[in-house]
Amino acid sequence: DAKTTQPNSMESNEEEPVHLPCNHSTISGTDYIHWYRQLPSQGPEYVIHGLTSNVNNRMASLAIAEDRKSSTLILHRATLRDAAVYYCILSRLYNNNDMRFGAGTRLTVKP
Amino acid sequence: DTGVSQDPRHKITKRGQNVTFRCDPISEHNRLYWYRQTLGQGPEFLTYFQNEAQLEKSRLLSDRFSAERPKGSFSTLEIQRTEQGDSAMYLCASSSGTSGRGDTQYFGPGTRLTVL
Repeated sequence: DAKTTQPNSMESNEEEPVHLPCNHSTISGTDYIHWYRQLPSQGPEYVIHGLTSNVNNRMASLAIAEDRKSSTLILHRATLRDAAVYYCILSRLYNNNDMRFGAGTRLTVKP
Repeated sequence: DTGVSQDPRHKITKRGQNVTFRCDPISEHNRLYWYRQTLGQGPEFLTYFQNEAQLEKSRLLSDRFSAERPKGSFSTLEIQRTEQGDSAMYLCASSSGTSGRGDTQYFGPGTRLTVL
């Protein structure tokens, strides 16, 4: 199974951009890159996903390296509500049941 | 869209008892997933349904665990003869199954099980 590597924790100041890295050097051509986040005492929440091209939505941006072996989740202006554990996950096209969560990155946002 | 709901939210039981959890997915979602999450860890995949068919089970799902989705709508997860090691958050998720752009899973709030 293709695996992801993320830092255990990161800190950010409120209203500043945050770049959360993820390494996935064994990614295959059909693996989508998904990001979910989990706020305290809640289930995981979808953030964004992509295959090859960079992606933007109202929550965040996803920058995917040209060789697809790494990606970065970008929160443009961190708020206190963005404090959560962020998971980078690979899922197979047409086989989304194969999502394997790691330990994720715990993001702390300082006021 | 009422989201994925789970019941109960919390369950405390004694070792050896049986427990059953319920998950109601987003209506018309074909796929339903169960995960288990222990403190400080990410969710671990347990099992997956496509409509009423259980298509995949993790080796984490011992023979004390059984899951059903009888009419392709809600699902139940039963744990028989609970052990203290079963204490965890049990998460349910659903997705539409319209693959092609990477299905998005929508998670419920979870059921926290404590086995005394």
